[in-house]
Amino acid sequence: GENVEQHPSTLSVQEGDSAVIKCTYSDSASNYFPWYKQELGKRPQLIIDIRSNVGEKKDQRIAVTLNKTAKHFSLHITETQPEDSAVYFCAARMNYGGSQGNLIFGKGTKLSVKP
Amino acid sequence: DGGITQSPKYLFRKEGQNVTLSCEQNLNHDAMYWYRQDPGQGLRLIYYSQIVNDFQKGDIAEGYSVSREKKESFPLTVTSAQKNPTAFYLCASSTGTGINSPLHFGNGTRLTVT
Repeated sequence: GENVEQHPSTLSVQEGDSAVIKCTYSDSASNYFPWYKQELGKRPQLIIDIRSNVGEKKDQRIAVTLNKTAKHFSLHITETQPEDSAVYFCAARMNYGGSQGNLIFGKGTKLSVKP
Repeated sequence: DGGITQSPKYLFRKEGQNVTLSCEQNLNHDAMYWYRQDPGQGLRLIYYSQIVNDFQKGDIAEGYSVSREKKESFPLTVTSAQKNPTAFYLCASSTGTGINSPLHFGNGTRLTVT
């Protein structure tokens, strides 16, 4: 089955700096890669996603890149702000010959943005 | 708020007792899920249901049971057979399991068993 590895487990940056979180997946059949943000005590919320037919996607200060050959995808946050502090989860979903599988999540990255 | 309601927010039980966690959604979503979240473990799938009256085991189903008698409801029972039940439980829903079906999560229930 699919396995998703996420690094680093913790990340501390200064306000205004960039943050990068990386994930690798094991099954080349995976075709959907969302990122979720979970603030302390709150629910995970989808912040951006990318499909396997796209190499990069941006949404304001957030971007995700996908390298299908290497089977890894990354979340990039530029000009970080204290409110970006949260746990971020990557996930991957496989395609079983047209039928979508369930999301497999990484173990999360705790991002701390210091003012 | 988000269309998925989990109750209660905090739940305390004695070891050996079964406990049921509630999850209700008004998003008209077909698929519903239960995840368990432990520190440093990410989100692990317990059970999921793609349609009423049908559900499948996830990666860590042992010691848990579910039902899906209504589209809106997907309660999770943590049985006494679950060896380490203390955790944060998240319910989620999606329009289906298609590629354009992101998960929408509830606010979670923190279960403590002593």
